[in-house]
This record gives sequence, C-alpha cells and structure tokens, in this order.
Amino acid sequence: QKEVEQNSGPLSVPEGAIASLNCTYSDRGSQSFFWYRQYSGKSPELIMFIYSNGDKEDGRFTAQLNKASQYVSLLIRDSQPSDSATYLCAASGGLGNTPLVFGKGTRLSVIA
Amino acid sequence: DVKVTQSSRYLVKRTGEKVFLECVQDMDHENMFWYRQDPGLGLRLIYFSYDVKMKEKGDIPEGYSVSREKKERFSLILESASTNQTSMYLCASSPLAGAGNTEAFFGQGTRLTVV
Repeated sequence: QKEVEQNSGPLSVPEGAIASLNCTYSDRGSQSFFWYRQYSGKSPELIMFIYSNGDKEDGRFTAQLNKASQYVSLLIRDSQPSDSATYLCAASGGLGNTPLVFGKGTRLSVIA
Repeated sequence: DVKVTQSSRYLVKRTGEKVFLECVQDMDHENMFWYRQDPGLGLRLIYFSYDVKMKEKGDIPEGYSVSREKKERFSLILESASTNQTSMYLCASSPLAGAGNTEAFFGQGTRLTVV
C-alpha cells in the first residue's frame, strides 16, 4: 500500500516566523511531489511541485526533496495569518498512469 | 486557466435516493478522479478514469458508480444514498502521466448531506 505520511498538527507559528511542514512517502518509484493548500470548506489548490532532489523556491515558499530519505518538506517564510490552512502533500503513483497519493494533511495556524 | 466545475456546491438528499454528481473539465485532460474528504480521514479516492468509458476502482468504491461518456465529463453516482455518504466530494483532473506535469486540478467541491 503506497502511503504518504504527514503530522496532522496543528502546527502553530507566530506571524513572521518560518513554518516547516514535513512529509514522508513509501513508494520509491514516486517521481514528482506536490504541495496543496486547502482553506476550510474549500478545495485544494496547488502551491508547489518538485521533481528533483534539493530545494525549489517560489516567493515565500521553498520545497525540499530528499529521495534517498523519501522525505519532502515545505518551508513558508515570513508566515502570515492568511497562510493558516491545511497543507496536503502528494506523491505521484510511481510507474504508469496512477493517481496521486495524498497525505492526510497538516493544519497550520499562524498567530498574529 | 484549468477549470474543473462541479454541478452543485451544496446538496441535500434523502436516504435511498439515487444521486448524481457531475464534473466537467475544460483542459482536455485524460485523467479524472472522484474523491471524498472527511475530517481526520483525508482525501480518499473513490473512482478514477483515464479515458472515455474507462474506469478504475479507487480505495472506497462501495456504494458508488461512475460514468464517463465524454472526455470532459465524469459523473459520480450514488445508487442508493445512505447517511454515511454525507461528505465533501471533490472532482479532479490531470494530464496523462508522462505528459509532463501531472498535478491534479480540483473542482470547488460538493458538500452532500444525506438525511
């Protein structure tokens, strides 16, 4: 069974701090990884994806991938109250055309 | 912009009714998915389809069926709605794996209540 594990939280950080969200995955064949943000009552929206080992930066967001450790993380710099949401990590299904495997999400709360 | 549109935002149905949830995407994606999302359980895949008239069971297909008669449209059918099917239902689409970025794009969700 392919799995993506995330700490459910809540993770509370003060405004302006760095929020660090982590995820591990079980399928070594997974090639690409996605971070979605989901506000309460809304649908998930993609904020970042990463394919290669190392860091990928986009504005205040940095995704990090370590395939040897099967570990993906998302850093949010200068956290804002508007970043308060649930963050879902997803991994590609490996070989073939298979659905993304989603973690259950980490709830982030940024305190003003 | 990719658009995935679900036919209803909120729906209330009675136990035993046959319920249709419709989803349309406008990006010519091959893959379409139906998920349900419940507190503490995350996103659970019900069914997916990678081509017209093709369907694959996901993790929780019991009590559901699907129809894909056209590439852009994927319908979820609750044959006889039950209260334990009260949930948020999310439709998504994505390109075929190997065709580049395989991110899934989600519709706005349908909050279904079965009474």
